[in-house]
Amino acid sequence: DSGVTQTPKHLITATGQRVTLRCSPRSGDLSVYWYQQSLDQGLQFLIQYYNGEERAKGNILERFSAQQFPDLHSELNLSSLELGDSALYFCASSVAGAPQETQYFGPGTRLLVL
Amino acid sequence: GENVEQHPSTLSVQEGDSAVIKCTYSDSASNYFPWYKQELGKRPQLIIDIRSNVGEKKDQRIAVTLNKTAKHFSLHITETQPEDSAVYFCAEGPAGNKLTFGGGTRVLVKP
Repeated sequence: DSGVTQTPKHLITATGQRVTLRCSPRSGDLSVYWYQQSLDQGLQFLIQYYNGEERAKGNILERFSAQQFPDLHSELNLSSLELGDSALYFCASSVAGAPQETQYFGPGTRLLVL
Repeated sequence: GENVEQHPSTLSVQEGDSAVIKCTYSDSASNYFPWYKQELGKRPQLIIDIRSNVGEKKDQRIAVTLNKTAKHFSLHITETQPEDSAVYFCAEGPAGNKLTFGGGTRVLVKP
């Protein structure tokens, strides 16, 4: 157990809908990262937050947005969902958000868009 | 640009043999190279990492080597065991203040 929690574990929804994925970092970690892992694909970095502020951005679609709240938990919002958005979404956390820090991954949220 | 190429994409080895996975990167400013292991249906976990001030690092049966001149680094697993079967990801940073992951290598250790 990495100490990073994600909810829900599984999510099934329809095209055009909007969902929110939630992540709580390890105790003491200030930075949160979001990754997308499609079937048989690698880990695609979406976005990083540090202490409530956006720090780095990857190939995140405009339909996707995220935020980190004062209690440091983070939410990833996916809207106007398409079939291709079906994937495993991981959240990771690290202490101070430096790239050289170990990132601890949560168990992931499996999203299925029908 | 940021790019990490990882080879091979799949690797099948006999139990007890060694496994080697190679990654190449393009950003000469990169100085941190972690390796993550992801078992089926589970989260990625860091198994070893190396920073640019060393050329090799070892932890029991796993080792990582780094060649900054050639911009490539490798993961070596010796005396492979069935529990080593997983997908392994290399990564490099801090390109754009973030990690960039390779495409992954599916390792199967046959008993």
